[in-house]
Amino acid sequence: SQELEQSPQSLIVQEGKNLTINCTSSKTLYGLYWYKQKYGEGLIFLMMLQKGGEEKSHEKITAKLDEKKQQSSLHITASQPSHAGIYLCGADGRTNFGNEKLTFGTGTRLTIIP
Amino acid sequence: DTGVSQDPRHKITKRGQNVTFRCDPISEHNRLYWYRQTLGQGPEFLTYFQNEAQLEKSRLLSDRFSAERPKGSFSTLEIQRTEQGDSAMYLCASSRLPDRDRAGNTIYFGEGSWLTVV
Repeated sequence: SQELEQSPQSLIVQEGKNLTINCTSSKTLYGLYWYKQKYGEGLIFLMMLQKGGEEKSHEKITAKLDEKKQQSSLHITASQPSHAGIYLCGADGRTNFGNEKLTFGTGTRLTIIP
Repeated sequence: DTGVSQDPRHKITKRGQNVTFRCDPISEHNRLYWYRQTLGQGPEFLTYFQNEAQLEKSRLLSDRFSAERPKGSFSTLEIQRTEQGDSAMYLCASSRLPDRDRAGNTIYFGEGSWLTVV
């Protein structure tokens, strides 16, 4: 079965600083989702990457998919308190990109210090 | 879109009781998923439906768990004879059918239903 490892597990960053979160898969990545979660709440969709080398940006968040390295990274520029939360990557290692059954990493807890 | 709606948001029950959670997906979403999440962990897949058909179930879904989506719209997840180990957040998600010619199907999650078994 596929496993996703996220690093770091937790991150404390001063407001305004940049940061990167990594997600490494034990199997080939055919697609990868990034979600954000506030404690006790549901998952908020951030981005979905489908092709190797694909890069997407939304506001100050950029995500990349390195298919060969079986890895994705999430980069936040000029972090703000609103970025605080738990970031989760999710993927379906099967070739049929139906994403019926996502495997998630354990998450990266991001704290922003004013 | 009104988003994925789950009810109740919180449920405290005594061990041995039955509980039922309801999920209303985004309208016109053919696929509906159930996940379970415990503290400090990522969500774990339980089962998913395509319209009213339950297409896959995880081994995590023991005989005490049953999910239905009778008319291909809302879904219910019932847990019978609850155990303390069932305490978790139960997440529902929905999506359109995948289409490789487009950008792919985004999976949207609801706010979750917290279950505490005492």
